[in-house]
Amino acid sequence: DAGITQSPRHKVTETGTPVTLRCHQTENHRYMYWYRQDPGHGLRLIHYSYGVKDTDKGEVSDGYSVSRSKTEDFLLTLESATSSQTSVYFCAANRDMNTEAFFGQGTRLTVV
Amino acid sequence: AQSVTQLGSHVSVSEGALVLLRCNYSSSVPPYLFWYVQYPNQGLQLLLKYTTGATLVKGINGFEAEFKKSETSFHLTKPSAHMSDAAEYFCAVSGKGYSTLTFGKGTMLLVSP
Repeated sequence: DAGITQSPRHKVTETGTPVTLRCHQTENHRYMYWYRQDPGHGLRLIHYSYGVKDTDKGEVSDGYSVSRSKTEDFLLTLESATSSQTSVYFCAANRDMNTEAFFGQGTRLTVV
Repeated sequence: AQSVTQLGSHVSVSEGALVLLRCNYSSSVPPYLFWYVQYPNQGLQLLLKYTTGATLVKGINGFEAEFKKSETSFHLTKPSAHMSDAAEYFCAVSGKGYSTLTFGKGTMLLVSP
């Protein structure tokens, strides 16, 4: 896992509730990313961060927000979970632009 | 803009046969290309990457890929499949000026005895 830990690994939540997923890295990577993986869609970028308090939107950012107050932590928040956000969420990180990204083990989120 | 097309959502081979997984990309800048593998219930692991230099790239577990600019391709091959190669494989593209990877939709490799 290259020093990337996601928590929780599994979560079931109800529609309309807020949910926060956490990504923690120990390698001092500058860039961090949140992807979602869905069958037939591969991995799609939700948000990414290029430094503390510096974040930007990805391809599928609607309904999600992120925060990065420390280099090692990148939080993904679903403000009001919907069934369409049922997915597997992956965090990734890399040191420099265009270099290999290291992935966490994923968080399986089910919204009922 | 960048995009990746992986031909075939599923590829089936027999153990010992050649593995060929196809990837075509588009990029408005010189691309950096990656192949990742995902085993069930795990994260993605880098197999190999092309940035600059030699166009034939060797990776882990006997896999290799060749960057062909004229064909905008980066196909992944392995001479002889092993049962342990059964997994999902993702091609991804990045490039100078881009800080994020764009992934293809993935190809599931099935290996039969």
